[in-house]
Amino acid sequence: DAGVIQSPRHEVTEMGQEVTLRCKPISGHNSLFWYRQTMMRGLELLIYFNNNVPIDDSGMPEDRFSAKMPNASFSTLKIQPSEPRDSAVYFCASSLLGVQETQYFGPGTRLLVL
Amino acid sequence: DAKTTQPPSMDCAEGRAANLPCNHSTISGNEYVYWYRQIHSQGPQYIIHGLKNNETNEMASLIITEDRKSSTLILPHATLRDTAVYYCIVRVPSMEYGNKLVFGAGTILRVKS
Repeated sequence: DAGVIQSPRHEVTEMGQEVTLRCKPISGHNSLFWYRQTMMRGLELLIYFNNNVPIDDSGMPEDRFSAKMPNASFSTLKIQPSEPRDSAVYFCASSLLGVQETQYFGPGTRLLVL
Repeated sequence: DAKTTQPPSMDCAEGRAANLPCNHSTISGNEYVYWYRQIHSQGPQYIIHGLKNNETNEMASLIITEDRKSSTLILPHATLRDTAVYYCIVRVPSMEYGNKLVFGAGTILRVKS
């Protein structure tokens, strides 16, 4: 089992550029979560999907952020345009819906917006 | 979801048991207690969870008080690799809405040789 796969692992971009983060969940999992982690705010849930459908996007900071899950094996988190305050580590996690589900996290994407 | 309180940091000697407390005095009857940890520069990792009974797996033991207002995560023989931030989370898992986790500040556990 390859675990949750995220790409790229590191991204450096300039303010105003579009950034796309990618996630491949564990095969068979039907819930997918996007988190953001900063020193100031800790680990925050941005959005999550069940069976490819967005359930709760209340954590998405603003309209510059968007997330999609076109199929069960792929999701993207897009920032357009990016700003320096978006610099953070972005984690994707997946789980299998159920009463005693656990979340499995990817290695994260470290984003630096200059 | 019930709020949790954890000490900001703890130290433990290598080879000794690490006991990490968590207070969740407002927990409701159907909320589970979950523990995750995050080793530096890695994504969080699931450790264990429970409802009311004590639980044990290959990583740790979870002791929940009878009134369920607090719990303790026990790492029986801590190693340097157990140095991490440990998060205690209480949550009602939902078949419909999934297991949305809210992470607090956690406890930084430093295992020292």
